[in-house]
Amino acid sequence: AQSVSQHNHHVILSEAASLELGCNYSYGGTVNLFWYVQYPGQHLQLLLKYFSGDPLVKGIKGFEAEFIKSKFSFNLRKPSVQWSDTAEYFCAVNGPGNNRLAFGKGNQVVVIP
Amino acid sequence: DTAVSQTPKYLVTQMGNDKSIKCEQNLGHDTMYWYKQDSKKFLKIMFSYNNKELIINETVPNRFSPKSPDKAHLNLHINSLELGDSAVYFCASSQASGGGETQYFGPGTRLLVL
Repeated sequence: AQSVSQHNHHVILSEAASLELGCNYSYGGTVNLFWYVQYPGQHLQLLLKYFSGDPLVKGIKGFEAEFIKSKFSFNLRKPSVQWSDTAEYFCAVNGPGNNRLAFGKGNQVVVIP
Repeated sequence: DTAVSQTPKYLVTQMGNDKSIKCEQNLGHDTMYWYKQDSKKFLKIMFSYNNKELIINETVPNRFSPKSPDKAHLNLHINSLELGDSAVYFCASSQASGGGETQYFGPGTRLLVL
């Protein structure tokens, strides 16, 4: 069964700082990888996803993530955060033909103006 | 025009009661899901239906019973509610049941059992 680890559950940073959130997965095969964001009081929204091809994936709102197969990682980055990026960020994984998404425990990110 | 909608948004009830949460999607998707998000924000899948047929049934107490009257609706009925059922329940849908499909989430139903 697949599992996902996210580290540094609580992240506090100032506006304009760079953000990197780690995501490591455990799955013995081809994977599909996702980052979702949950703004306070709202539902989950897809930030970006990786299925195949270029391991550097660009998503909405200036976010990007890099799939490194050898490290089983899919880290999320944003070079300069804004106050509106305050949210919970979830990494998720599943395998081909398997829609059972396994989520990490999330990173709570607070951006101080 | 909401893509995935849930009702009610908030639900406060007593232990032992039976309650239902409704979910509807207007995206024309074939597959729908129920997830539970606990107090620590951990999200775990409960059920998935593809074209009204149950395809995922995780280890969930049988007090929880999903029902899909058509592929645009997936309701969740909970019998004999317990304190531990307090959580946020998210409905989601995807075009199909393949692994690469993006899942679109509803706004969540915040259930509090007293």
